[in-house]
Amino acid sequence: DTEVTQTPKHLVMGMTNKKSLKCEQHMGHRAMYWYKQKAKKPPELMFVYSYEKLSINESVPSRFSPECPNSSLLNLHLHALQPEDSALYLCASSQDHTSVLLEQYFGPGTRLTVT
Amino acid sequence: AQSVTQLGSHVSVSEGALVLLRCNYSSSVPPYLFWYVQYPNQGLQLLLKYTSAATLVKGINGFEAEFKKSETSFHLTKPSAHMSDAAEYFCAVSDSSPNYGQNFVFGPGTRLSVLP
Repeated sequence: DTEVTQTPKHLVMGMTNKKSLKCEQHMGHRAMYWYKQKAKKPPELMFVYSYEKLSINESVPSRFSPECPNSSLLNLHLHALQPEDSALYLCASSQDHTSVLLEQYFGPGTRLTVT
Repeated sequence: AQSVTQLGSHVSVSEGALVLLRCNYSSSVPPYLFWYVQYPNQGLQLLLKYTSAATLVKGINGFEAEFKKSETSFHLTKPSAHMSDAAEYFCAVSDSSPNYGQNFVFGPGTRLSVLP
């Protein structure tokens, strides 16, 4: 099973709402990632979890709050977002964050619209 | 820091024609290079990767790429385009630092259109 799943597929939220994005993988990978992708742009790294610990935070605003409950799950909690946060949010995983040889496996993404 | 450029933000080919998508990298160390494809409203799927074992790398869906150190290139090719190849293609280089771990640097992407 080389699948990364993400829920929901689409999310529309107001600027005062609180919502969460979920990501799951069952490949035994120990690194998980959140990316943000704007239209016609490459993905931009937001957070990296390695062995369930936050390893990298790419200076992401605090209105985005990641959580890794266990090695298979990754959440992204959203609060007080801005319209410019509307984007495709991609989750990815890899066997190990320390190896440059390893590919990352991407989920299908959550299309977020902030109104 | 490593970087990736992709010449041509949009490439159009006729069905059955050769596909050539260009990727050039800058790196002071041997690079590890990847090609990903993204179909509309989907995530990224790995096509192939170069990790210094062989300069000609074969991937899925009939794609292949050749690593040319002298040209700092890793161009993606497919002999005969199919309508289903229409998608966005990203070249990426993977590097690392002691405190940072693996870092994927993506190119800007090339949108491939396949004309009937």
